[in-house]
Amino acid sequence: EAQVTQNPRYLITVTGKKLTVTCSQNMNHEYMSWYRQDPGLGLRQIYYSMNVEVTDKGDVPEGYKVSRKEKRNFPLILESPSPNQTSLYFCASSSGQGYNSPLHFGNGTRLTVT
Amino acid sequence: GQNIDQPTEMTATEGAIVQINCTYQTSGFNGLFWYQQHAGEAPTFLSYNVLDGLEEKGRFSSFLSRSKGYSYLLLKELQMKDSASYLCAVSSGNTGKLIFGQGTTLQVKP
Repeated sequence: EAQVTQNPRYLITVTGKKLTVTCSQNMNHEYMSWYRQDPGLGLRQIYYSMNVEVTDKGDVPEGYKVSRKEKRNFPLILESPSPNQTSLYFCASSSGQGYNSPLHFGNGTRLTVT
Repeated sequence: GQNIDQPTEMTATEGAIVQINCTYQTSGFNGLFWYQQHAGEAPTFLSYNVLDGLEEKGRFSSFLSRSKGYSYLLLKELQMKDSASYLCAVSSGNTGKLIFGQGTTLQVKP
């Protein structure tokens, strides 16, 4: 089954404790992206990658890192999480370049930073 | 900069027709997407418009006017399961950036 898999689905952590949210897709998509969703603010793009070893900042990249060492994986890294990063996170992939074909979303990761 | 506006909430009756509007301001427009998102779930793709006009797909249609920076999503024969948020998203330039509106929460009542 074609899908984008995020883990974990739920995560509660404390300020400053490094964490990684994994994202993997099995559709051989070149484009992958991370979003956060907050009430009243909608989906905001954190980082995106148009191919292996190519990553670019979205609109809210501060406090996040990503890597794209293989086509299928695009982990999101929070080196020192803070409470303002409490949010619902979505990973997505696309067969195009992100601007011309539909996104396939993972099921989301709900992160709470205390 | 880029800006996308959608109504926050709408209510409609089962079996009726509802139109959800989206206006945008952007440079280098590439296309406009509509996604549906049920509460607690991931967004799912509904439609993509790159040229002016109406795209019809079953009960759902999407319209685009690039000169007016305007799109709408038309839902016909509303069903209770159509209660969800509808997200308008615009891509501009060949950068891979996609900007989402805040979404319109549609409530379908019996």
